[in-house]
Amino acid sequence: KAGVTQTPRYLIKTRGQQVTLSCSPISGHRSVSWYQQTPGQGLQFLFEYFSETQRNKGNFPGRFSGRQFSNSRSEMNVSTLELGDSALYLCASSRLRATNEKLFFGSGTQLSVL
Amino acid sequence: AQSVAQPEDQVNVAEGNPLTVKCTYSVSGNPYLFWYVQYPNRGLQFLLKYITGDNLVKGSYGFEAEFNKSQTSFHLKKPSALVSDSALYFCAVRDAAGGYQKVTFGTGTKLQVIP
Repeated sequence: KAGVTQTPRYLIKTRGQQVTLSCSPISGHRSVSWYQQTPGQGLQFLFEYFSETQRNKGNFPGRFSGRQFSNSRSEMNVSTLELGDSALYLCASSRLRATNEKLFFGSGTQLSVL
Repeated sequence: AQSVAQPEDQVNVAEGNPLTVKCTYSVSGNPYLFWYVQYPNRGLQFLLKYITGDNLVKGSYGFEAEFNKSQTSFHLKKPSALVSDSALYFCAVRDAAGGYQKVTFGTGTKLQVIP
């Protein structure tokens, strides 16, 4: 069974641009969550989607948005990029939306904002 | 609110020696606790979890973790470290109370196993 797939693997953008990241969860998984990873900050929760609906949102500005499609694939968008948005963006999926479920992570998209 | 702390940014251990990576947590209800490992240029991989029951949880690659409710800790351990265990380790918590809760991760501990 294929794992969580994130594309692209690397992105270089300039300030003010926007970017879209894609995540394909494991087949049969309906919950997708996104995290921002930066050195020293660990993983910061961005948002979670289940059945095409955003269920939870972290403390990030409105420039960060996402969506989930009927096949459970998810995208996140960052508009008006800032230097501080440079980070590894990780997507995780789980079969159900249950508190005791483990997460399966993709390899991430490394975003560099110049 | 739930939170998790990993007090050590880095842990160095000699190959063959036992290792411990520390984690403490705070939740209002009962905790669901997880350990994940991240190898360079990779996403996180699940190691083990504590939901309920036996306080000693065994996981992948010979790792285990001990749940201590009185000390609100969930330290990751391995009896004999391997060089290949060198990676970034994350502790995570979810509060079992109040319905579905998102997961909160610690800031991570870099484990360096010295040959």
